[in-house]
Amino acid sequence: NAGVMQNPRHLVRRRGQEARLRCSPMKGHSHVYWYRQLPEEGLKFMVYLQKENIIDESGMPKERFSAEFPKEGPSILRIQQVVRGDSAAYFCASSPFGTNDEKLFFGSGTQLSVL
Amino acid sequence: GDSVTQMEGPVTLSEEAFLTINCTYTATGYPSLFWYVQYPGEGLQLLLKATKADDKGSNKGFEATYRKETTSFHLEKGSVQVSDSAVYFCAFVANSNSGYALNFGKGTSLLVTP
Repeated sequence: NAGVMQNPRHLVRRRGQEARLRCSPMKGHSHVYWYRQLPEEGLKFMVYLQKENIIDESGMPKERFSAEFPKEGPSILRIQQVVRGDSAAYFCASSPFGTNDEKLFFGSGTQLSVL
Repeated sequence: GDSVTQMEGPVTLSEEAFLTINCTYTATGYPSLFWYVQYPGEGLQLLLKATKADDKGSNKGFEATYRKETTSFHLEKGSVQVSDSAVYFCAFVANSNSGYALNFGKGTSLLVTP
């Protein structure tokens, strides 16, 4: 049973480009969470999605950021018109249950670098 | 606002040494407290947790006690091994109904040498 898969591991973008980060949850998991770790900071919750629904996006910036978890395929975190301040490690986690923290399984993260 | 502060790394220890990684939190109410570990090339995984004051979480020889009076949750291990080399994250969740909205510290890198 493969773990949470994130790709790419490293993503380099120039300012103004779009970044698309992918997350495939563990088999059988229908809940996905995105976290961001800025340099010299801890991970911060961004958004929680269930299949085809955004449950909680309270941690996501209001502009340029969006997330989806379609019925088929991976969850996508999209950042439009990236700026240098978006450079960070983005972690995805999945769980079989909505709020049971013990069942959060994390991916290895995507390191986004904006030039 | 709510936050977690953990000791700066990297921490370098010899095998069989005693480990302490300090963690303090600032939160309203009575949060649940966690330690997560990230081994090289892998995702974060839950190491241990405590949900109320004076609870002690333990796993793989690691322990941490929920100290409400000092708002701390320090991680300890009596005898570290090379395989314990990893990054350790202290975290808490303020609202049990939003157990996914964890607040993490910056992480402390531990290197154990033979």
